[in-house]
Amino acid sequence: GAVVSQHPSWVICKSGTSVKIECRSLDFQATTMFWYRQFPKQSLMLMATSNEGSKATYEQGVEKDKFLINHASLTLSTLTVTSAHPEDSSFYICSAFTREGWEQFFGPGTRLTVL
Amino acid sequence: GNSVTQMEGPVTLSEEAFLTINCTYTATGYPSLFWYVQYPGEGLQLLLKATKADDKGSNKGFEATYRKETTSFHLEKGSVQVSDSAVYFCALRPDSNYQLIWGAGTKLIIKP
Repeated sequence: GAVVSQHPSWVICKSGTSVKIECRSLDFQATTMFWYRQFPKQSLMLMATSNEGSKATYEQGVEKDKFLINHASLTLSTLTVTSAHPEDSSFYICSAFTREGWEQFFGPGTRLTVL
Repeated sequence: GNSVTQMEGPVTLSEEAFLTINCTYTATGYPSLFWYVQYPGEGLQLLLKATKADDKGSNKGFEATYRKETTSFHLEKGSVQVSDSAVYFCALRPDSNYQLIWGAGTKLIIKP
């Protein structure tokens, strides 16, 4: 089946630093990738939709200058949390969408802890 | 608008008990419906799906039937195991979009 990887799986950083999270579709091409944020004991919150070769579309309330998304190829999208603060600590999940079967395949998630 | 409502958890059952997790939705048109499962420390996995009314999705002993008349997609399993302990998410995809609309998730705890 389709596999999506995320790297790193967990990261701890100091407040004020930037963190980059990679999302890769390993065995298929994804024209669209989604980035979600999941708070403890809560559902997924869609942050942005990323289309290869174009600017990401951010959901209302998500700061695009803080959460930089780049979808440079059909198999890679990156989320950079800039100037991270403790309130950015969360579980970030990406998914890759394939028009074959119109399904989203999810990465394992990245646990970000900002000290 | 589109929305998904799931029963609140946690749901605690003994092994071999019958499981039902309720899911109802609001949507225009003919959405596709999904159940995803998130095991502890892991990412989301598609458990089953149904793309049209009266379809039944099934996988790993779990079943859910797309009921348009009651706008429901309840998840059922006849005999749960400890390994089924996880968080279960109901979701819909509107027929005009590829984004998913998520329920809040239901944590399932199975005790031996």
